Amino acid sequence: GESVGLHLPTLSVQEGDNSIINCAYSNSASDYFIWYKQESGKGPQFIIDIRSNMDKRQGQRVTVLLNKTVKHLSLQIAATQPGDSAVYFCAENSGGYQKVTFGIGTKLQVIP
Amino acid sequence: GAVVSQHPSWVICKSGTSVKIECRSLDFQATTMFWYRQFPKQSLMLMATSNEGSKATYEQGVEKDKFLINHASLTLSTLTVTSAHPEDSSFYICSARAYGTGLQPQHFGDGTRLSIL
Repeated sequence: GESVGLHLPTLSVQEGDNSIINCAYSNSASDYFIWYKQESGKGPQFIIDIRSNMDKRQGQRVTVLLNKTVKHLSLQIAATQPGDSAVYFCAENSGGYQKVTFGIGTKLQVIP
Repeated sequence: GAVVSQHPSWVICKSGTSVKIECRSLDFQATTMFWYRQFPKQSLMLMATSNEGSKATYEQGVEKDKFLINHASLTLSTLTVTSAHPEDSSFYICSARAYGTGLQPQHFGDGTRLSIL
């Protein structure tokens, strides 16, 4: 569902380590999921997506895992770099091809 | 590809002024554009869905007479905040989905920071 008035959780990771950002979604009918990265003062940037008929998808340094049984989504970033510091949002597509609902977001801080 | 341009990026104006924000898809046609509002350290809240050539669909609690949306072409949608007041100060972000069938991500503009004095 919608997230209102919540403060962002923060994940601190050492440069070079792997990061795992988690997201729980609420609608079991959601059929498409997207991860976005938002840097300060900018709009969200598409990272990777996955359809509900898949449980894993890999991109460049990123992997998304989908567990429909527990309605859980995760984003794994390999060899985290300072440029990965941002807020990461998961988003779920439900209600047809139109509406996308955003999660509360996680702030990733990379420690040099 | 899939670039969305939003203008202006920052606007400061007096209370009672109306402000127009433009959202353009530069290299693709977007039958659907979305307008979001984001408060500091919070997630994006969908305000309305804008379809080319038809009336926008507003989310519950969003005043359609306050936030006027026009989507006159496949590459341009505008949001006008009418008679803006300090409580309308926020970060407004648009997104666009490329024309075509199938599941695909929205592509976002870089937002407009609106400050009402």
